[in-house]
Amino acid sequence: GNSVTQMEGPVTLSEEAFLTINCTYTATGYPSLFWYVQYPGEGLQLLLKATKADDKGSNKGFEATYRKETTSFHLEKGSVQVSDSAVYFCALSPNYGQNFVFGPGTRLSVLP
Amino acid sequence: EAGVTQFPSHSVIEKGQTVTLRCDPISGHDNLYWYRRVMGKEIKFLLHFVKESKQDESGMPNNRFLAERTGGTYSTLKVQPAELEDSGVYFCASSRFLGEVEQYFGPGTRLTVT
Repeated sequence: GNSVTQMEGPVTLSEEAFLTINCTYTATGYPSLFWYVQYPGEGLQLLLKATKADDKGSNKGFEATYRKETTSFHLEKGSVQVSDSAVYFCALSPNYGQNFVFGPGTRLSVLP
Repeated sequence: EAGVTQFPSHSVIEKGQTVTLRCDPISGHDNLYWYRRVMGKEIKFLLHFVKESKQDESGMPNNRFLAERTGGTYSTLKVQPAELEDSGVYFCASSRFLGEVEQYFGPGTRLTVT
């Protein structure tokens, strides 16, 4: 079946540190891949997405590249800010319009 | 345009009681999805409506859960009777058409069963 694995954390970093949150997936076919973020007290927000192999999604300084050969979609940011503190979810959609499969979420805390 | 809204934001009920959660999707979105995150675990799919029809309800845990979407607009998810293990955050999402990649999520309803 389809599944997503990601580092569960919590991850604690100092401001301006480099961030990597690993995400790997198992899926048949060619899924679309997503990173969602949940800030404290808020709902899920789409952070970035990639719909085919070698695509790079980017937003707000975050990046992730769809690597089919390693079935990975690792999230990176060169310099994190306190405002990036949130829970990050990696997710896949097996086919267009089908339900998402989520990873367990990674809680990130950025200290000033 | 207004986003996906959910009501209530938080509900605390006793075991055995009934709770109804509501989701209003983005106007014009035919597809509506329910998910939940239990005990800090991964977010899991519950079911998917296309307009008023259930497209996929394979994620519904048991018959204590009943989802409806009369008229193809808002949806309700009723839990009757609630059990302790139902505690968690229930998310609703919508998308305009079946082939759309992105789903737009609401803020979630935190359900606590005591």
